[in-house]
Amino acid sequence: KQEVTQIPAALSVPEGENLVLNCSFTDSAIYNLQWFRQDPGKGLTSLLLIQSSQREQTSGRLNASLDKSSGRSTLYIAASQPGDSATYLCAVSDGGAQKLVFGQGTRLTINP
Amino acid sequence: EPEVTQTPSHQVTQMGQEVILRCVPISNHLYFYWYRQILGQKVEFLVSFYNNEISEKSEIFDDQFSVERPDGSNFTLKIRSTKLEDSAMYFCASLKGAGAYEQYFGPGTRLTVT
Repeated sequence: KQEVTQIPAALSVPEGENLVLNCSFTDSAIYNLQWFRQDPGKGLTSLLLIQSSQREQTSGRLNASLDKSSGRSTLYIAASQPGDSATYLCAVSDGGAQKLVFGQGTRLTINP
Repeated sequence: EPEVTQTPSHQVTQMGQEVILRCVPISNHLYFYWYRQILGQKVEFLVSFYNNEISEKSEIFDDQFSVERPDGSNFTLKIRSTKLEDSAMYFCASLKGAGAYEQYFGPGTRLTVT
């Protein structure tokens, strides 16, 4: 059974810093990995999707990498801003349209 | 930009009552999902739906739950007899398919069972 773990559970950094969020999964036979952002009491906003054949994806100040063989992904946020404060979730799928299995998230606070 | 919508945003119901949560997926998407998130816990999968039938369901999705796509736009989740432990945020998601595998989530319905 796939298990997804995110470390750290919470992170607080000053504005402007670059930071890395970590995600690990127990079964390397994944098809996709997706990173989401969740604001308090709100829905999930998709940030990046990495397919298993890819090593990384970039969107603006966000860069996600995937090391499938070691069961790890990282989300790199450059030049953090207070508006980046949210919970970041990673989720994996073992098939193109299969269910997502989520980690518990990293709650990120960017201090002005 | 197209988005997944859900109604209502908040539903309060008494234990034992039936509730129907509604979702309108993105119009050209083919795969539909329900997930839930109990307060402070992980988002967990309930059911997936494709070609007018359930393609996968979790152990949570027992006989008290059902899904339906009654027309070309709506996708519903029905809980027949709600329990206190059904209190959670319920998210609908859709996926286009045909090589596009990003799941798009709605804003959620907060269900409170009293």
